Amino acid sequence: KQEVTQIPAALSVPEGENLVLNCSFTDSAIYNLQWFRQDPGKGLTSLLLIQSSQREQTSGRLNASLDKSSGRSTLYIAASQPGDSATYLCAVNGANSKLTFGKGITLSVRP
Amino acid sequence: DAGVIQSPRHEVTEMGQEVTLRCKPISGHDYLFWYRQTMMRGLELLIYFNNNVPIDDSGMPEDRFSAKMPNASFSTLKIQPSEPRDSAVYFCASSFLNPRATEAFFGQGTRLTVV
Repeated sequence: KQEVTQIPAALSVPEGENLVLNCSFTDSAIYNLQWFRQDPGKGLTSLLLIQSSQREQTSGRLNASLDKSSGRSTLYIAASQPGDSATYLCAVNGANSKLTFGKGITLSVRP
Repeated sequence: DAGVIQSPRHEVTEMGQEVTLRCKPISGHDYLFWYRQTMMRGLELLIYFNNNVPIDDSGMPEDRFSAKMPNASFSTLKIQPSEPRDSAVYFCASSFLNPRATEAFFGQGTRLTVV
């Protein structure tokens, strides 16, 4: 059974800092990995999708990498801003087209 | 497109009552997913449909839960009878073609409280 882990559960950083959010998964037989952002009381917004054949994807200040063999992904946020404060979830798409989610990392960027 | 639309946004009901959650996927998307989110267990897949046909309902917790997709633009998740432990945020998501290759788009969720 696929398990996705995100540690730590919460992170607080000062504005302007570059930061890395980690995600690990137990079964490397995945089709893709997706990073989402969730604001309090809101739904999930897709940030980046990395196919299993890719190593990384970039969107603006965000860069996500994937090392399928080691079961790891990272989300890099450059020059963090208070507006980046949210919960970030990673999800892997494996057998039967199911997305398995981590529990998320709650990020707080202090002004 | 307005995205995935869920209704109601909030639902408070008494234990034992029937609850129906509704979802309108993005037009043209042929996969629809129902998820439940709780603090303890995070996001869990309950059931998903492809071309209106249920493909995998192994995540549905009990027979009290049922889901239907009568057409490509509408799905319901029903809980009957509801219990306090069903309190959670329920999300609907949709994707186009093969979800192994494309991203999933989520609705805003329905926050269900059973008292």
